[in-house]
Amino acid sequence: QQQVKQSPQSLIVQKGGISIINCAYENTAFDYFPWYQQFPGKGPALLIAIRPDVSEKKEGRFTISFNKSAKQFSLHIMDSQPGDSATYFCAARGYSSASKIIFGSGTRLSIRP
Amino acid sequence: EAGVVQSPRYKIIEKKQPVAFWCNPISGHNTLYWYRQNLGQGPELLIRYENEEAVDDSQLPKDRFSAERLKGVDSTLKIQPAELGDSAVYLCASSDPSGGASSNEQFFGPGTRLTVL
Repeated sequence: QQQVKQSPQSLIVQKGGISIINCAYENTAFDYFPWYQQFPGKGPALLIAIRPDVSEKKEGRFTISFNKSAKQFSLHIMDSQPGDSATYFCAARGYSSASKIIFGSGTRLSIRP
Repeated sequence: EAGVVQSPRYKIIEKKQPVAFWCNPISGHNTLYWYRQNLGQGPELLIRYENEEAVDDSQLPKDRFSAERLKGVDSTLKIQPAELGDSAVYLCASSDPSGGASSNEQFFGPGTRLTVL
C-alpha cells in the first residue's frame, strides 16, 4: 500500500514531441505528489508538484494531470528537448511535512534530436 | 547559495571494510535525510533528523549502519562492515519545514557512489 508504481521504465521521444510518464498509488492518505528530475551524477531535483484538490498543474512545458478517483497521476512534457533527457521519478507523501516520501522506480527519458 | 555538499563522491572498498559518508546540508535547514538509491530505482529513506535528533530510523539496518548528526548541522553515515549488497548511491537531502506542510521541499546532494567488491 506504500508503493508508487511508475511506467514506463524507459522512454524515447523525438525532439518536439510529448513525453508522458504515468504513476499509480494505493495509499489514500497520500496528499502531496511531486515529480523529480535526476541527471547522471546528480541528486534528484524537484520539478513540479501537485496536491489532490486540483486535477492539473502546469509550469512551462511541464504539466501534471491528477485523477484522484483512479489514484493515478502523470507528467506531460510538451515540446520535449534534448536537455530534458534525464531520469524522472514520481513520488508521494502524506499531508504532514514530516511524512516519508515514497518514490517510484523511475523513467529514463531520452529525447532524440 | 551553496547546495547540499557530500563527500566523497565515489568510494570503492572491499567487503567487510568500514566506510563513512559525510554531508553538509544547506545552511539553516534543520531537517536532514539520508537515502539509499539502488541502480535503476528511486531513493529509499534510511534516516531522518530533526536538528540532532533521529526521528525516523525505521529503515536503517542497525546491525551495520549508523548515523550521527552532532550539533544539528553536518552528518555522517557509516557502514561497518560493508557487504556486496550495500553497493548503491547514498544521497543526503535537507529541508526547511518552516514553510509549512505544503512545502518542505527536499534538496538533494549529488550523492556518494559506493562500490563494494
